[in-house]
Amino acid sequence: GAGVSQSPRYKVAKRGQDVALRCDPISGHVSLFWYQQALGQGPEFLTYFQNEAQLDKSGLPSDRFFAERPEGSVSTLKIQRTQQEDSAVYLCASSPSDSGGLYNYEQYFGPGTRLTVT
Amino acid sequence: GQNIDQPTEMTATEGAIVQINCTYQTSGFNGLFWYQQHAGEAPTFLSYNVLDGLEEKGRFSSFLSRSKGYSYLLLKELQMKDSASYLCAVRGNTGGFKTIFGAGTRLFVKA
Repeated sequence: GAGVSQSPRYKVAKRGQDVALRCDPISGHVSLFWYQQALGQGPEFLTYFQNEAQLDKSGLPSDRFFAERPEGSVSTLKIQRTQQEDSAVYLCASSPSDSGGLYNYEQYFGPGTRLTVT
Repeated sequence: GQNIDQPTEMTATEGAIVQINCTYQTSGFNGLFWYQQHAGEAPTFLSYNVLDGLEEKGRFSSFLSRSKGYSYLLLKELQMKDSASYLCAVRGNTGGFKTIFGAGTRLFVKA
């Protein structure tokens, strides 16, 4: 089946503009994660959804960042009043798990959206 | 605090064996992952350890010692296509199972 898809793949925004990044997870996957990855760094956790519930948003860097997953499938990460420091690749990942235990909760990553703020 | 340390870069020769180490200090532990990431691409899953010991999968093996907060990824019979970044990641056990990634180790495989 199809993997995780993200759109747009590339986005150039002028400083101060609002942007919306979309993630289509693998069908049926309960868990959805957003990460921010700067060049040469590992992914930094932003937020996590279990179905439509946002269980952890501790990684969102400011109140300009907002994420939603209203029907438990597609998710949108919105950044308001973009700043140059927001330039990064935004990765979305999904996972089939919704419970604890000794299971392999591999995350399946999308190709990312490269955001450049000028 | 939460911290994951791994070497920034390593170089190895085609056909050789390389070991990439990872040490971690996290609040809660519910599994350690290794991912491979080629430049400009998304990370892809390599291995998962939640109990102490060695997990082997083809040319790749991963080891975990929870008491030492230590893991390594072992790559055998290196191929040029193994040149990539290798990310160590730890999943916590608080609500949401937040996953913390290290900065990655860039592996260069030379002929």
